[in-house]
Parts: sequence; structure tokens; C-alpha cells
Amino acid sequence: DGGITQSPKYLFRKEGQNVTLSCEQNLNHDAMYWYRQDPGQGLRLIYYSQIVNDFQKGDIAEGYSVSREKKESFPLTVTSAQKNPTAFYLCASSVGLAGAYNEQFFGPGTRLTVL
Amino acid sequence: RKEVEQDPGPFNVPEGATVAFNCTYSNSASQSFFWYRQDCRKEPKLLMSVYSSGNEDGRFTAQLNRASQYISLLIRDSKLSDSATYLCAVNLNTGGFKTIFGAGTRLFVKA
Repeated sequence: DGGITQSPKYLFRKEGQNVTLSCEQNLNHDAMYWYRQDPGQGLRLIYYSQIVNDFQKGDIAEGYSVSREKKESFPLTVTSAQKNPTAFYLCASSVGLAGAYNEQFFGPGTRLTVL
Repeated sequence: RKEVEQDPGPFNVPEGATVAFNCTYSNSASQSFFWYRQDCRKEPKLLMSVYSSGNEDGRFTAQLNRASQYISLLIRDSKLSDSATYLCAVNLNTGGFKTIFGAGTRLFVKA
């Protein structure tokens, strides 16, 4: 079955630690995205990548980093510089480079809690 | 003003009711539009794309009004299973990609 997987489903982090969230897709999509969702709020774009070895900052990139070494994979690192990292993190992908007419497909999400 | 705004909700309706959600957008460079459904603690899933001429999928009808810059979603004959949060999404073509999501409108359908 084609789809997007994220791991882990739940993640607990101590303050000062960096953690990496995994996102893998086998849909052969070029574009991948990371969003953060806080309770009662919409999705906010952290980073996106339209092609391997290239990525751009979204609206709230501070304290996060990404890599895109393979088409299928787009891991997100939440660094200790992110002051309020507790949130629901969603990875998504879409067909093609332009993205204008393409809907996004989401992974099941990772719920990160800072202790 | 937010780039994409939705009815704040929540909407509480009885089974069988018709309910309508609105979503306004501020950027005239908005090119394509979508409605997503998000169940509690789950990921959003595409419900339907919104076409210029309006489109219908069973009990769901989506409409676009470019002049007034809003999209709408109408759900007829509501089912208990329709209870969820409905997110509108707007794709902007401003020389590069950008998708803006609304904050969502929560729907509770009661027996």
C-alpha cells in the first residue's frame, strides 16, 4: 500500500535535547512538507522540500532543521533552540514541483511532548 | 487579518440536518482550494477539491466565489460519522509554492 509513515507516534523529550522525527513516503511524490499543529489551531508550515537536496523555510522554521537526501525521506529535527516544541507534527507530500493544484497527503503524525 | 479564516464553531447539529461552513481568503493570488477533514487526534484527509464551477460528492457540495474570495462546504443529511474538524486550504502561486490552512471548524452531529 502506498502512503506516508511517521515515527514515532508519541515522543517525549527532555528540555535541552534534540530529537528527530521520521517521515517516509512511497508515493513517488516530489514535494514534502512539515507542519506543526497546536490545540485549536490550524497547520503552520515549518519546512518544505520540492526536490531532493533542496528545502525551504516555512513560516515557523526557527529551532527546526531538515534534510532531503532521498526522495522518500524528509526527517525533521527539533532542536533545543525551539522554545515551545510540544505539539502535533504532521508530515505531508504532494505530486510535482509546483504544488499549486496538488492536494497534500498527510502521515499519521507524531505527538511530541517536552517534559 | 489572517490569510485564511474559517467559521470559529463549534457547530452542534442533529442528525439529518444541513450544515454549511464558510472560509474566506485574503490573497488574490490564491489558485486552488481544498476541504480537508480531520478526526480527533488524527491527520487531515482530503475531503474534496473545490472547482470554479462548484462540485458535489454525494452529500457534500463545495463552492468557490472568487469575487468575494470565499469557499463553502455544505453537508446535507448529516450523519453521526460526519463529526470532525473541517479545514479549508488555499494554495497560493506567488512565484513559489505556499499552502495556507484555516484553523478549522469543529462539527458535532448528535443523535
